[in-house]
Amino acid sequence: SQTIHQWPATLVQPVGSPLSLECTVEGTSNPNLYWYRQAAGRGLQLLFYSVGIGQISSEVPQNLSASRPQDRQFILSSKKLLLSDSGFYLCAWSPGQGARKQYFGPGTRLTVT
Amino acid sequence: QKEVEQNSGPLSVPEGAIASLNCTYSDRGSQSFFWYRQYSGKSPELIMFIYSNGDKEDGRFTAQLNKASQYVSLLIRDSQPSDSATYLCAVNGNSNSGYALNFGKGTSLLVTP
Repeated sequence: SQTIHQWPATLVQPVGSPLSLECTVEGTSNPNLYWYRQAAGRGLQLLFYSVGIGQISSEVPQNLSASRPQDRQFILSSKKLLLSDSGFYLCAWSPGQGARKQYFGPGTRLTVT
Repeated sequence: QKEVEQNSGPLSVPEGAIASLNCTYSDRGSQSFFWYRQYSGKSPELIMFIYSNGDKEDGRFTAQLNKASQYVSLLIRDSQPSDSATYLCAVNGNSNSGYALNFGKGTSLLVTP
């Protein structure tokens, strides 16, 4: 069966500090991978998606970036955090090739102070 | 802009009753529709999906889709206090967005004993 991991689970970072969130998927190959953010009182917002190694598409211009160095690894980064980056960051995967269902990891709750 | 609309609630139903959750979407070309359940502080969990017009039943859950009216609903029969959560409606984007999901802001459901 497939499993998706995210870490860390929670993070408190000062404004201007760097960020690195990691997501890994087990039990599948060549998945589509997604980063979403859920801010307080708002819906889930798509940040990035990837259909393969090194292939990253951004949906929202901002100070965040993403990378996919391995087939089942997806990393979300920032060089300098803003207060507005606070939120619940969710990684999701789908089987790829136009597959529809997405499954979410446990999430990382980020608070920027 | 592709939109998914839900009433924020809270929707309060007594234990044992039927809870009815509704969702409308703007993109007439949408083909895949999902319901996720999200407990407070947790990540979304996929509970139902539907691709064709009509009803789809799984246990106490029934998803209903009407593409002509651009309307999706979720019925929960014999509601239990453990069903108290936020229910997110989601609609697949197309290949241009890696089939990422567009989410509504969710409906909060409270099942009272």
